[in-house]
Amino acid sequence: QTVVTQEPSFSVSPGGTVTLTCGLNSGSVSTSHYPSWYQQTPGQAPRTLIYSINIRSSGVPDRFSGSILGNKAALTITGAQADDESDYYCVLYMGRGIWVFGGGTKLTVL
Amino acid sequence: EVHLLESGGGLVQPGGSLRLSCAASGFTFSSYAMTWVRQAPGKGLEWVSSLSKSGDSTYYADSVKGRLTISRDNSKNTLYLQMNSLRAEDTAVYYCAKSGSGFGDKDYWGQGTLVSVSS
Repeated sequence: QTVVTQEPSFSVSPGGTVTLTCGLNSGSVSTSHYPSWYQQTPGQAPRTLIYSINIRSSGVPDRFSGSILGNKAALTITGAQADDESDYYCVLYMGRGIWVFGGGTKLTVL
Repeated sequence: EVHLLESGGGLVQPGGSLRLSCAASGFTFSSYAMTWVRQAPGKGLEWVSSLSKSGDSTYYADSVKGRLTISRDNSKNTLYLQMNSLRAEDTAVYYCAKSGSGFGDKDYWGQGTLVSVSS
């Protein structure tokens, strides 16, 4: 069974830089997984940040960037702000129309 | 302005059925694929199902295959999720999302509708 892995939690200082990762329990994340990243605050719908590895969704500030780092997908937030404190989810394309989400990372800004 | 409004959620007994709707406005509905994503209480996001813009191609997570059916009526600008043989583990907020121009892009999301499966 395919499991997409994310750090359960992470913290960053205001103004700092943080990189969240998205991996697979078996194998490496590659460009063919078209990783996407979503931000969600409690009680709200998700918001798309990044799709197809590194393309920012409309209106997303360039503080958010996506990449493949080693064998994982990565979301980097530079100049972290208080309102970046959210849950972050990645999703990977497994082929044949199937997508699998990671378990999410709770980001604390303090 | 793009709007997606889910409806049809509620309390249903195990083994029961429910049909969710997602009313779309502010864009040419028939030109975009659509997706359902759910979130169990206190848990993460789970991709449920996607549907091509024509409705000809459908895709499902293994956890719902054979029980949930995605469909659309482009004349009514509405996406549906028919949910049969419901289980407690189907309890979740169900979101519909519009595909964007790029592969994997979900540029708009609804606010979700809660489905509770309990006796």
